[in-house]
Amino acid sequence: DGGITQSPKYLFRKEGQNVTLSCEQNLNHDAMYWYRQDPGQGLRLIYYSQIVNDFQKGDIAEGYSVSREKKESFPLTVTSAQKNPTAFYLCASTTPGTPWGYTFGSGTRLTVV
Amino acid sequence: GQQLNQSPQSMFIQEGEDVSMNCTSSSIFNTWLWYKQDPGEGPVLLIALYKAGELTSNGRLTAQFGITRKDSFLNISASIPSDVGIYFCAVLNYGGSQGNLIFGKGTKLSVKP
Repeated sequence: DGGITQSPKYLFRKEGQNVTLSCEQNLNHDAMYWYRQDPGQGLRLIYYSQIVNDFQKGDIAEGYSVSREKKESFPLTVTSAQKNPTAFYLCASTTPGTPWGYTFGSGTRLTVV
Repeated sequence: GQQLNQSPQSMFIQEGEDVSMNCTSSSIFNTWLWYKQDPGEGPVLLIALYKAGELTSNGRLTAQFGITRKDSFLNISASIPSDVGIYFCAVLNYGGSQGNLIFGKGTKLSVKP
């Protein structure tokens, strides 16, 4: 079955450490997105990529980095520069121009301890 | 950045009651979407609206795209416990990346059996 997989589901990080969240899709989608979700804040766009080896900053990119070396994979690194990293992170993919085709992963909850 | 105003922020209802929530924007958008997020999961598309004035149903859900293209509402009839979750409105942001969505902050629905 096609889908989008995020791992791990729960992640704990010590303050000052970098951590990488995985996002893999087998839907042959060109575009991939990372969102951050905080209680009462909705979804805020961190980074997006419309094609391999290219990505763009979203509204809250500071303290995060991404790579898009393969069409199927779009990992997100939360760096130590991110001041408040505890949140629920969602990855999504789509074929550009088909918004009804947005597929979300099941999310990764990151907690800084 | 552009914002969607979604209300109410939360609702506590009795099973069997009808629910109504809405979303407004100061800008015109040509595509409005409604998503549902179950606790600890990613959002899932419920209804997509592409034409001003359009009224679309999906089972017990009914959504309308406002005639001014600046608002939309979602109704849920005869609520059941599995309706619990967060409902998001979203619009396609043509001014940003192709396929980028702007989300409202969500309406958290709680249903008492």
